[in-house]
Amino acid sequence: AQKITQTQPGMFVQEKEAVTLDCTYDTSDPSYGLFWYKQPSSGEMIFLIYQGSYDQQNATEGRYSLNFQKARKSANLVISASQLGDSAMYFCAMRERGSGGSYIPTFGRGTSLIVHP
Amino acid sequence: NAGVTQTPKFRILKIGQSMTLQCTQDMNHNYMYWYRQDPGMGLKLIYYSVGAGITDKGEVPNGYNVSRSTTEDFPLRLELAAPSQTSVYFCASTTGNSQPQHFGDGTRLSIL
Repeated sequence: AQKITQTQPGMFVQEKEAVTLDCTYDTSDPSYGLFWYKQPSSGEMIFLIYQGSYDQQNATEGRYSLNFQKARKSANLVISASQLGDSAMYFCAMRERGSGGSYIPTFGRGTSLIVHP
Repeated sequence: NAGVTQTPKFRILKIGQSMTLQCTQDMNHNYMYWYRQDPGMGLKLIYYSVGAGITDKGEVPNGYNVSRSTTEDFPLRLELAAPSQTSVYFCASTTGNSQPQHFGDGTRLSIL
């Protein structure tokens, strides 16, 4: 089974509207962390937001928020007031403790977001 | 701050050749990672290190080797390059479990 599932290969949104990018995860580690990264067409990886498994509140960073539903193992990224510069690939990632005790990161396949003017 | 520096940025290899992708970070991070990203896909973990002298395999280690003799450097070695290793390679580092990874700009490698 995939540890990180992003079911939306591509998403389109109108400028200034909100968009939700889906991410579900699978882990037996009670102390895990979830990250979202943005990868523009230029190729660099940009950190957006982090949610720890024990965090009581949903994480927010400016126009980014994370809709964390622990029981459903869901960590959707919400981008409010979309901008043309938000067009990029978005990756959900999870950090969990591996069998050797070290923290192992796993990435989803990504969602391509295109913002229309 | 330089952050994570990868060299080279681009490289073309012939089948069977070997090369080393360099990665260095100046943030004193213990954790370092090597990923490959195939077209339209996410990042797959090749090898990782939790500190100098300690390395371990990730999801796709075959055909690669790493070493970590210092905190700063984490080179990735390709032996006997194959076309299936054509990819973009990213190096990343972090201080710990709740902190995001800092990525290098990537190395685009083609094997012909």
